[in-house]
Amino acid sequence: GEDVEQSLFLSVREGDSSVINCTYTDSSSTYLYWYKQEPGAGLQLLTYIFSNMDMKQDQRLTVLLNKKDKHLSLRIADTQTGDSAIYFCAEAGGGNKLTFGTGTQLKVEL
Amino acid sequence: DAGVIQSPRHEVTEMGQEVTLRCKPISGHNSLFWYRQTMMRGLELLIYFNNNVPIDDSGMPEDRFSAKMPNASFSTLKIQPSEPRDSAVYFCASSFDGREETQYFGPGTRLLVL
Repeated sequence: GEDVEQSLFLSVREGDSSVINCTYTDSSSTYLYWYKQEPGAGLQLLTYIFSNMDMKQDQRLTVLLNKKDKHLSLRIADTQTGDSAIYFCAEAGGGNKLTFGTGTQLKVEL
Repeated sequence: DAGVIQSPRHEVTEMGQEVTLRCKPISGHNSLFWYRQTMMRGLELLIYFNNNVPIDDSGMPEDRFSAKMPNASFSTLKIQPSEPRDSAVYFCASSFDGREETQYFGPGTRLLVL
């Protein structure tokens, strides 16, 4: 079945760039997503990328997709304390279901 | 749009009691998902509906859990009888069958079973 993996923790200094990585196994994935979950809140969609793209930029966010290696990354430029949260990648492999990764907890230090 | 609405936001109950969680999806969305989130197991898909019909309930833990979607604007997840290991945050999400399957999440119901 589908499997999505992420590292559990990432710590960066305020103002630095953060790069959160994700690997997936389903080669038929059509869309890949990044969600953000702040403490005590639900998951909020940050951005998504179609599988025929290799990059998407949205303000401070850059998504890179390496379809050959089934690797997805989210880069946050000029990371702020408000970016501290858990970040989930997810893939849509068909049907309506999304398969979510385990989440990466990003801690931004002053 | 109000987004996905869930109620209650918090629920504390005693073991053995029935718990009913409610969800109102975003108007116009035709798929609805119930997830459970715990520290140990992360985010798990319990069941999802498409056009009010349950499509995949393979994630429902056991017979104590049941879900219904009587119409396009309302769904319930019921646990009867509840157990302490059911303590978790339960999320409802909805999406529209389109070119991409972006799911929009509600704020969650934090359930504590004593």
